[in-house]
Amino acid sequence: GAVVSQHPSWVICKSGTSVKIECRSLDFQATTMFWYRQFPKQSLMLMATSNEGSKATYEQGVEKDKFLINHASLTLSTLTVTSAHPEDSSFYICSASTGVNSGNTIYFGEGSWLTVV
Amino acid sequence: DAKTTQPTSMDCAEGRAANLPCNHSTISGNEYVYWYRQIHSQGPQYIIHGLKNNETNEMASLIITEDRKSSTLILPHATLRDTAVYYCIVRRSYTGNQFYFGTGTSLTVIP
Repeated sequence: GAVVSQHPSWVICKSGTSVKIECRSLDFQATTMFWYRQFPKQSLMLMATSNEGSKATYEQGVEKDKFLINHASLTLSTLTVTSAHPEDSSFYICSASTGVNSGNTIYFGEGSWLTVV
Repeated sequence: DAKTTQPTSMDCAEGRAANLPCNHSTISGNEYVYWYRQIHSQGPQYIIHGLKNNETNEMASLIITEDRKSSTLILPHATLRDTAVYYCIVRRSYTGNQFYFGTGTSLTVIP
């Protein structure tokens, strides 16, 4: 299947700093990418939908000024956690769709562990 | 949204078929059913998806009832590596085509 890569796999940052996570579709162009977060023993929670060249659409309750999403090209989306706090520590996962129709498969990255100390 | 209902957990003997059910009684006519699995601390892995017809690939088979209100994922010969959380997802067919995850089924394959 298609490959989606995230970087870094894990990151530790100090409280109050910002951290960027990259998501790349390696062998296909992704007009739409999605960002999720997952707390231990819980399911994945959709944070935002990112379309290339336009502003991301955030889910209710997700702060757009805290979780900055940029989708500058058809193969790259970035999530920046600004002014990170310990409660932002989580597993962040991106995914990318191979097309715009509901029958187009979505592939997920390996995830990025963020620990804020 | 077409929500899904799955059993919280299931066990399966190694080498036997694992049948994972999913109810999606409010599914719309053009919404696909997707199955993913997540092994601890990894991103979800795509397994299979379908619309109306039964589907089979190298990993699994997907059986969708005629009224499309439920489906079953079948792992024909479960191995220990199949121990994971399995998610059944109905994909929105309108704006965004997002995936919303439910709680999934935690499958444990027993030696």
